[in-house]
Amino acid sequence: QVQLQESGPGLVKPSQTLSLTCSVSGGSINSGGYYWTWIRQFPGKGLEWIGYIYHTGNTYYNPSLKSRVIMSLDASKNHFSLKVASVTAADTAVYFCARLSPELPPDYWGQGILVTVSS
Amino acid sequence: DIQMTQSPSSLSASVGDRVTITCRASQVIRNDLAWYQQKPGKAPKRLIYTASSLQSGVPSRFSGSGSGTEFTLTISSLQPEDFATYYCLQHNNYPWTFGQGTTVDVK
Repeated sequence: QVQLQESGPGLVKPSQTLSLTCSVSGGSINSGGYYWTWIRQFPGKGLEWIGYIYHTGNTYYNPSLKSRVIMSLDASKNHFSLKVASVTAADTAVYFCARLSPELPPDYWGQGILVTVSS
Repeated sequence: DIQMTQSPSSLSASVGDRVTITCRASQVIRNDLAWYQQKPGKAPKRLIYTASSLQSGVPSRFSGSGSGTEFTLTISSLQPEDFATYYCLQHNNYPWTFGQGTTVDVK
């Protein structure tokens, strides 16, 4: 059974860079043709899909965030990462990592991590 | 972006009730629609994908239907563990987008 776990700072100052890591267990991020994705949930409960990364390094980013987002992966550590630059209070959210099969919506999710942007 | 409109935004129901939630897409998305259940403090759980395919392990009282722009999630007989918030997600066109959610609470 695949398991995902987010980690990173829970508090980030405005204008700084939010950095999160998703550790994957129960399967290799290099195998099976899966994509690895980030989704966030705002305090009002709305959900926003941030984008995905494939094991080849190919990425897709939501245009709403594209200029500020970078995703990467480290196969040797079996984890993938998210960076969001120049954060504001509007980036305060619970950030989830999840797995995608090609053309299918996320099946396995991490438990989520709350990131608050505040000085 | 494709807009996903869920209705109602909330509903009150009793155990044993039949519950129906609707999701409407702003453009045709074939059957590329999923339904998720979320409980407080937890990640969303996939119930249905490709509009009507039941996720393994999900009780058969959950069903999905529709194609094009109109989709429905039905719970045939509401159980105590089904009180939660439900979201639809279109996975037809990037960026994938979610509905705003429907909260099912106790009547």
